[in-house]
Amino acid sequence: NAGVTQTPKFRILKIGQSMTLQCTQDMNHNYMYWYRQDPGMGLKLIYYSVGAGITDKGEVPNGYNVSRSTTEDFPLRLELAAPSQTSVYFCASQPGRASSYNSPLHFGNGTRLTVT
Amino acid sequence: GESVGLHLPTLSVQEGDNSIINCAYSNSASDYFIWYKQESGKGPQFIIDIRSNMDKRQGQRVTVLLNKTVKHLSLQIAATQPGDSAVYFCAETGGYNKLIFGAGTRLAVHP
Repeated sequence: NAGVTQTPKFRILKIGQSMTLQCTQDMNHNYMYWYRQDPGMGLKLIYYSVGAGITDKGEVPNGYNVSRSTTEDFPLRLELAAPSQTSVYFCASQPGRASSYNSPLHFGNGTRLTVT
Repeated sequence: GESVGLHLPTLSVQEGDNSIINCAYSNSASDYFIWYKQESGKGPQFIIDIRSNMDKRQGQRVTVLLNKTVKHLSLQIAATQPGDSAVYFCAETGGYNKLIFGAGTRLAVHP
């Protein structure tokens, strides 16, 4: 199994440009998450999904959109990139609820995004 | 509001010594806590977790201690190795399916 795969690994955007960060997992996990990590900081939840067709906002959803048309894929869309969105973005998946034993989040290796 | 923080931003230890990484949390209603390890350029990796109805849980070379009275969590690493050098995050449940992460502690292991 590849686990959680994120593409691209790096991207530079100009202010106002749009892009989609791709995330796919091959573990048949129902739950998927997008986090952002600013330098020297912890992870903040952007959006999450508990299954195909269901998405919900996290702590910092403004400026982002998501969709979940399949169990495997959970893309994150930036419509009008701003410098404040410069960060490392992590996608994660999980088979069950956050409070379930033996079902920790599995993270991808991240996408480093710079907006200038 | 809910928050998870860490007492020490960096920790330097000698190879072979035991390491203790501390974490404070503010939401007394949190019922699940996790420690993650993040190496440079990689995503966080699960280390160990603990429920609020436990005080201690052990894994391979790692132990997590939970003190609900003072809302404190710690990660103990026995016989620290160079491969343990990384940033360590604690996280707590802040609501349904929402983990709240602390800022992280960098562990540096010196030979």
